[in-house]
Amino acid sequence: DTGVSQDPRHKITKRGQNVTFRCDPISEHNRLYWYRQTLGQGPEFLTYFQNEAQLEKSRLLSDRFSAERPKGSFSTLEIQRTEQGDSAMYLCASSPEGGVSTDTQYFGPGTRLTVL
Amino acid sequence: GNSVTQMEGPVTLSEEAFLTINCTYTATGYPSLFWYVQYPGEGLQLLLKATKADDKGSNKGFEATYRKETTSFHLEKGSVQVSDSAVYFCSRGPTGGSYIPTFGRGTSLIVHP
Repeated sequence: DTGVSQDPRHKITKRGQNVTFRCDPISEHNRLYWYRQTLGQGPEFLTYFQNEAQLEKSRLLSDRFSAERPKGSFSTLEIQRTEQGDSAMYLCASSPEGGVSTDTQYFGPGTRLTVL
Repeated sequence: GNSVTQMEGPVTLSEEAFLTINCTYTATGYPSLFWYVQYPGEGLQLLLKATKADDKGSNKGFEATYRKETTSFHLEKGSVQVSDSAVYFCSRGPTGGSYIPTFGRGTSLIVHP
């Protein structure tokens, strides 16, 4: 299977703990997006990478959120000092090189975070 | 601002009924428009897209036409099947140098036999 993969699929943590999620995009896709999705809502944009460069991070929800894509392949999203309001599905998507406005995004299955 | 508004669900139909899910958007410029679908237990996947005004995207019997004058991209299907039961998301691509796509809140479709 050469789709977008995310790990873990589920994460349960206690308030105040740090969590890290991984996304492996489709190989050769140079664009990578992170989203948050809560129940009954659509994906909410968090951040965007083109290769290893993080070109948009203004929508990261607070300074507790950070993301990396050090070699332009897989990416990680870290949430420090988790809060109950961080409970959500975290989605990763990738796109091939092309027009940033026209490209189809390929989504992973998501990581469901529950903060107790 | 830049936003996408979809009709609220759930939309409940009988098999072979006609489907319309409304979507309107606001944007500076002329973004590409997309419909994504999420089947139960699966991730979002592209259903169809249109990249310029008056384009019609189509796939699996679904269609949507990019209407610049009404800033709309309504999804239609002439005869739905039980297997079309899913959540449908309208999306607007970035414009004006932005990298930020925007999604609607999703519309759940339930098709009964």
